[in-house]
Amino acid sequence: DAKTTQPNSMESNEEEPVHLPCNHSTISGTDYIHWYRQLPSQGPEYVIHGLTSNVNNRMASLAIAEDRKSSTLILHRATLRDAAVYYCILRGLSSGSARQLTFGSGTQLTVLP
Amino acid sequence: KAGVTQTPRYLIKTRGQQVTLSCSPISGHRSVSWYQQTPGQGLQFLFEYFSETQRNKGNFPGRFSGRQFSNSRSEMNVSTLELGDSALYLCASSSSGQGAGTDTQYFGPGTRLTVL
Repeated sequence: DAKTTQPNSMESNEEEPVHLPCNHSTISGTDYIHWYRQLPSQGPEYVIHGLTSNVNNRMASLAIAEDRKSSTLILHRATLRDAAVYYCILRGLSSGSARQLTFGSGTQLTVLP
Repeated sequence: KAGVTQTPRYLIKTRGQQVTLSCSPISGHRSVSWYQQTPGQGLQFLFEYFSETQRNKGNFPGRFSGRQFSNSRSEMNVSTLELGDSALYLCASSSSGQGAGTDTQYFGPGTRLTVL
């Protein structure tokens, strides 16, 4: 299965942008890149996903490298509520995980006031 | 639209007992997946049901089982509980279940199971 690598933890100041990196060097052409986050004492929550082009939604932006071997989740203005574990997940038929989410250890984001 | 609901939210059992957890998906969603979250192993996939059929199964022993009803509600059962089964059990639903890798999974708040 295609794997993802993320830093264990990151810190950000409130109201500043946050760039959360993810490496996925063995990604295949049909794998989608998904991001979920898990706030304390809650279930995971969908953030964004993309295939090749950069994507934006009300929560975040996803920047995908041209070779697709890495991606970056961008929170434009971090708030205290964004403190969570962020998971970068590949989904697609080639990674065998089309119908399930295979979670890694994620990145624990701490937002400082 | 109401989100995914799970009952009960907290449960305490003793070793050897069995437990049944319930999940009600978002209205219209036909796919329900279950995950186990522990501090040591993180989030791990248990199984997925679609239209009352188990379609996908993770690497868990046969003590873990589930089912889905015609209204898409799902239950999971753990028999002969062990201390290591203490975990947060999460249920997630999705609409299409097409398996193309694009559907979004919506998670419930989980059931916290403690085995003494």
